[in-house]
Amino acid sequence: QVQLRQSGPGLVKPSQTLSVTCDISGDSVSRVGIAWNWIRQSPLRGLEWLGRTYYRSKWNTNYAVSVKSRLTISPDTSKNQFSLQLNSLTPEDTAIYYCARASPDTGAFDIWGQGTMVTVSS
Amino acid sequence: DIVMTQSPESLAVSLGERATINCRSSQSVLYNSNNKNYLAWYQVKPGQPPKLLIYWASTRESGVPDRFSGSGSGTDFTLTISSLQAEDVAVYYCQQYYSTPMFTFGQGTRLDIK
Repeated sequence: QVQLRQSGPGLVKPSQTLSVTCDISGDSVSRVGIAWNWIRQSPLRGLEWLGRTYYRSKWNTNYAVSVKSRLTISPDTSKNQFSLQLNSLTPEDTAIYYCARASPDTGAFDIWGQGTMVTVSS
Repeated sequence: DIVMTQSPESLAVSLGERATINCRSSQSVLYNSNNKNYLAWYQVKPGQPPKLLIYWASTRESGVPDRFSGSGSGTDFTLTISSLQAEDVAVYYCQQYYSTPMFTFGQGTRLDIK
């Protein structure tokens, strides 16, 4: 049974960097054909896909245009996890952040982490 | 990016009655080579992560009750709950995964009990 467990802070100050980690159990961050994603949910934007990482001959990452200049997604094979780092935070980044697996068979997001509520405020 | 537009924004349905949510994409999400629509539906309840209900526009995820069904093709899709239960109160989102990797969601439809 695949499970994703997130860890990260709940309150971050404006201009600072958000770091959230997603621990994977029951699957491997390195499994070919699996994409590991970050998605956020806010009252203003609803669900917004942020980016992903996946291994296929080499490590690849893709980012949404809206956050591309501020976002880094990194795998850690030794810990079987992947992480999000979002810098230059503003109050508009206040949201619930989720990690999610894209199904190897369908591409839909079939497994989700529990979510990390992040508030950007001084 | 493909824009996903849901309607209505909210609806209230009596217990046991049918609920219908619509989703339209700004361009087709039908992949001609395999005849599959790259369209999924998710249910989001307060304090819980999104739950995948439907993929390929009409295939129920394992464990999802059969009162949930998806239909449509190309650019127009529908999620139907045939007989609303109290536990179905949630916000529902459609999502396209055709335009890899620029995945996009609809704005959500809030479903309540009348």
